[in-house]
Amino acid sequence: AQSVTQLDSQVPVFEEAPVELRCNYSSSVSVYLFWYVQYPNQGLQLLLKYLSGSTLVKGINGFEAEFNKSQTSFHLRKPSVHISDTAEYFCALPHAGNMLTFGGGTRLMVKP
Amino acid sequence: DVKVTQSSRYLVKRTGEKVFLECVQDMDHENMFWYRQDPGLGLRLIYFSYDVKMKEKGDIPEGYSVSREKKERFSLILESASTNQTSMYLCASSSPQGPTYEQYFGPGTRLTVT
Repeated sequence: AQSVTQLDSQVPVFEEAPVELRCNYSSSVSVYLFWYVQYPNQGLQLLLKYLSGSTLVKGINGFEAEFNKSQTSFHLRKPSVHISDTAEYFCALPHAGNMLTFGGGTRLMVKP
Repeated sequence: DVKVTQSSRYLVKRTGEKVFLECVQDMDHENMFWYRQDPGLGLRLIYFSYDVKMKEKGDIPEGYSVSREKKERFSLILESASTNQTSMYLCASSSPQGPTYEQYFGPGTRLTVT
């Protein structure tokens, strides 16, 4: 069975500081991984995705994530956050062809 | 531009009412999904559909049903709303063509059952 664990439910950070949002997964098959972002009062939009190849994946808005197979992790990072990055972030594991298993979400709160 | 729309952003209903949530996508996608989102629990799949008139139960189908009469439209039905169905409901669609299986989401409907 597949599962996704986001280790932090909330991450407060000051503007212009770096941030890392942690995601660990469990899967018995080859892995793809996604990060979605949900801005306040909006639906989810895809931030970045790992399919294969380079383990460092770059996404929109300056975010990047690193796939680590040995640690079964896919942590999301940004070197300098902005107020506008305040949102909820979801790590997701595609499986069974069309399904997504989501982590519990991490609320990023950027403070001035 | 890819578009998934949901009929209402906010909805308030009384216990026992029948509730319809509508979702429409304009991407000609075969797959459509209904999730509910609750704090700390992420998104949980209620039902999904691979094609017109086809439906499959997800992880938490109890208390819900769905209808897909046209490819672009997928409806979620709460036969008799209860207070524990107060939640955010998200619709999504995707193409069955891999390998990414990326799902595109609507803006969500925040349902309150009183």
